Amino acid sequence: NAGVTQTPKFQVLKTGQSMTLQCAQDMNHNSMYWYRQDPGMGLRLIYYSASEGTTDKGEVPNGYNVSRLNKREFSLRLESAAPSQTSVYFCASSGLPQVSYEQYFGPGTRLTVT
Amino acid sequence: AQSVTQLDSQVPVFEEAPVELRCNYSSSVSVYLFWYVQYPNQGLQLLLKYLSGSTLVKGINGFEAEFNKSQTSFHLRKPSVHISDTAEYFCAVSRNTGGFKTIFGAGTRLFVKA
Repeated sequence: NAGVTQTPKFQVLKTGQSMTLQCAQDMNHNSMYWYRQDPGMGLRLIYYSASEGTTDKGEVPNGYNVSRLNKREFSLRLESAAPSQTSVYFCASSGLPQVSYEQYFGPGTRLTVT
Repeated sequence: AQSVTQLDSQVPVFEEAPVELRCNYSSSVSVYLFWYVQYPNQGLQLLLKYLSGSTLVKGINGFEAEFNKSQTSFHLRKPSVHISDTAEYFCAVSRNTGGFKTIFGAGTRLFVKA
């Protein structure tokens, strides 16, 4: 099993450009998440999807949109990138609540917006 | 609302010395508690978790943590660290009454010196 995969690994955008970060998991997990990681701030939740067909805002959703394409895939879109969105983005997944909320993380996407 | 405070942003320690990384949380409901580790340029991986039962939890790589409900703490310990333990460590909390959000602390960078 590959676990959680993310593409691309690195990306440089100019202000105003758009892009989509892709995430897929092969663990048959119901829930998926997008976080951003900034120095000294830990991980902050952008959006999450509790189950296929549902998405909800997290702590820092402004400037982002998401799509839960199917049970495996959860994408994050930046419509008009801004320098404040320079960050490392992590996708994660977890099983049902009975599996205790433990999350499995992808390797991350390092995004720079100039 | 839940919050997580990691009391030290950086902890330098010599190889084979003991280490404690401190974590306090606040929550009005019962919670699950986690420690994750992040090695350079990688995603997070689970080190250990507290769900219920024994307050002393053992994890991978010789780490353990103790849940103290009265002090709302979940400190991580290792009796003898190795160079390979150099990484960033994140404390996290999830509600156990439903919902899918996990709140992460800001992280503690452990630096093990030879």
